[in-house]
Amino acid sequence: EVQLLESGGGLVQPGGSLRLSCAASGFTFSSYAMSWVRQAPGRGLQWVSAISGSGGNTYSADSVKGQFTISRDNSKNTLYLQMNSLRAEDTAVYYCAKDNSPYFGSGRYGAYYFDSWGQGTLVTVSS
Amino acid sequence: QSALTQPASVSGSPGQSLTISCTGTSNDVGTYNYVSWYQQHPGKAPKLIIYSVSYRPSGISNRFSGSKSGNTASLTISGLQAEDEADYYCSSYTSSSIVLFGGGTKLTVL
Repeated sequence: EVQLLESGGGLVQPGGSLRLSCAASGFTFSSYAMSWVRQAPGRGLQWVSAISGSGGNTYSADSVKGQFTISRDNSKNTLYLQMNSLRAEDTAVYYCAKDNSPYFGSGRYGAYYFDSWGQGTLVTVSS
Repeated sequence: QSALTQPASVSGSPGQSLTISCTGTSNDVGTYNYVSWYQQHPGKAPKLIIYSVSYRPSGISNRFSGSKSGNTASLTISGLQAEDEADYYCSSYTSSSIVLFGGGTKLTVL
């Protein structure tokens, strides 16, 4: 059974940093691209970042480019999101989500759908 | 990077069928068959119900179906049931190598 368990959320002041983690189990982690998707309170889903199965390719939404960094450690079956210079508008539940392909970003290859999700971790940016 | 366009809300009676639309552009929905749909109940994580425009994951009821025409994708739910009351989101890969979600549609079962 696929399990994704996010951690690292919490209350942080504007301008601060947080690193989210997502521990994966139940599948061959390195064989699948992974994404972070966030949901602000009472709002819709917003894709944040993705990383290929090998970790060699990363992609991010314009709204977080240069601010958030996605990474993974395939030896630890763990996905990360380093979030810097946090703003109030970054307040959201952050979900990690498993893709159904090791590829992301080429268009021709990849699945670009999320077949498993974690339970989410809440990040609150407030003074 | 504007969100895909979905109606904010739809409603139907038990047993009825209804369709939720998802409108994008030629840079996303219109070009790629990478459209998927997610169901989200309050306080829960999203759940994949349709992928690659019209495919259902294992375990998803055949009451859910997906299609696409031009820049608009659609999710049809037939034989509406009380448990279908939830938020529904479409998503699509785009030519900018990102994924866009729709704004979400709240489905109410009357």
